[in-house]
Amino acid sequence: DAGITQSPRYKITETGRQVTLMCHQTWSHSYMFWYRQDLGHGLRLIYYSAAADITDKGEVPDGYVVSRSKTENFPLTLESATRSQTSVYFCASEGNTGELFFGEGSRLTVL
Amino acid sequence: TQLLEQSPQFLSIQEGENLTVYCNSSSVFSSLQWYRQEPGEGPVLLVTVVTGGEVKKLKRLTFQFGDARKDSSLHITAAQPGDTGLYLCAGAWESGGSNYKLTFGKGTLLTVNP
Repeated sequence: DAGITQSPRYKITETGRQVTLMCHQTWSHSYMFWYRQDLGHGLRLIYYSAAADITDKGEVPDGYVVSRSKTENFPLTLESATRSQTSVYFCASEGNTGELFFGEGSRLTVL
Repeated sequence: TQLLEQSPQFLSIQEGENLTVYCNSSSVFSSLQWYRQEPGEGPVLLVTVVTGGEVKKLKRLTFQFGDARKDSSLHITAAQPGDTGLYLCAGAWESGGSNYKLTFGKGTLLTVNP
């Protein structure tokens, strides 16, 4: 089915472990984004990508790594997870009219 | 970093009531989007406004863009329980701002009680 999918939907990990959140879109949109959503902070941009092999930092990039080897995939990696990275993570892609299409989110808990 | 303020932060009303939520900035927007997010899901676009003074209607929802393009409002008439959700505005500024053009407000959490 067309759309944007994230995996896993739920993840529990421990401090110091590496975690990768996956994002896949079927529209071939150029721009893709990773946001985190926390109470009191709203949606904050972590990283974004304008095209394959082009990525840039957003508002809160520290502790995260992204890559984009293919247009359709935009994984987000937490190299050494910390408790402050407990959050709900949303991937999105941008349509031709500037509309953002969001995935269903990945809820990450770091113990 | 450009700031985008939403108010109120929380709103709990009875079915049938009207309500208005606001989105404000001290800077001029080039465009502004409103999204609704339901529990356990990602935000979904409701509308985009671009022109100062613009008014758009989506069934019982009326969106207005300020004449100076620094503020926007969302008015819901005769709210229904299905309107319950988090309403987010997202603004793009003409200059400055974050690395990427779009910044989200913290949202208004609306609960409509039957």
